Amino acid sequence: DQQVKQNSPSLSVQEGRISILNCDYTNSMFDYFLWYKKYPAEGPTFLISISSIKDKNEDGRFTVFLNKSAKHLSLHIVPSQPGDSAVYFCAASEGGGADGLTFGKGTHLIIQP
Amino acid sequence: DAEITQSPRHKITETGRQVTLACHQTWNHNNMFWYRQDLGHGLRLIHYSYGVQDTNKGEVSDGYSVSRSNTEDLPLTLESAASSQTSVYFCASSETLQPQHFGDGTRLSIL
Repeated sequence: DQQVKQNSPSLSVQEGRISILNCDYTNSMFDYFLWYKKYPAEGPTFLISISSIKDKNEDGRFTVFLNKSAKHLSLHIVPSQPGDSAVYFCAASEGGGADGLTFGKGTHLIIQP
Repeated sequence: DAEITQSPRHKITETGRQVTLACHQTWNHNNMFWYRQDLGHGLRLIHYSYGVQDTNKGEVSDGYSVSRSNTEDLPLTLESAASSQTSVYFCASSETLQPQHFGDGTRLSIL
C-alpha cells in the first residue's frame, strides 16, 4: 500500500509560469516532509522541507505548502526556469527522518521554452 | 567539501554471485541509508544504520545485508544475486531532523 502518492507522472509548464507539484500521504504519523529533485544519472538533490508544525516554508523560488487535515502537500516553483526540468520526488518520514524516508513515485516536470 | 560517494557506478554480474556495493561519506553523519529505485516504485528503503555497529531492516531488505564498522562507510551486500535485484541503488546520509544527502547511485544489472 503506497503511503506517499504523486498522482501526476508528468507535468509540462511554460517557462516563467508557476509549476505546482502535488503529493498526498496516508500515514498520519508522518511529521517531516521533503521534496527532492533528480536529474538522470545523478542522485536526488534536496530542495526544501517542512515540518508538520508548519503549513508553509519558502526558499527562494520554491515554496512548500502542507495541509495536514487533507494529508496533502504541494511544491510551487515561481517562476519556472529551463533548469527546473527534472523528476521531483515527494518524501515523508516519522521522527525527523532517522528511520529513512518513504518516497512517492515522482513527477517528471518539463519546462517548455 | 563533504560528499558521499558510491562505487562502482555500474556493475554487471550473474545470478547467484555475491555482490558488494560501497558507500562512503565524509559528512560525519551518524545515519546512513540504502535505497533502490525501480520503474514505477520511486525509491524504497533497504537498510539503514544509526551509527557504528547498528543496522536496521527497511521495507525491502530480503536478500540484502549491511554492516557498519565505522562512521564513514555502509557497504551493501547481495548474498546471492537474483535478477529481481537489478536496479539502481542509492546511498544516503544525514543527521536526524536534517535532509538526507544522496550519492549518485550504482546501476546494477544481474544476468
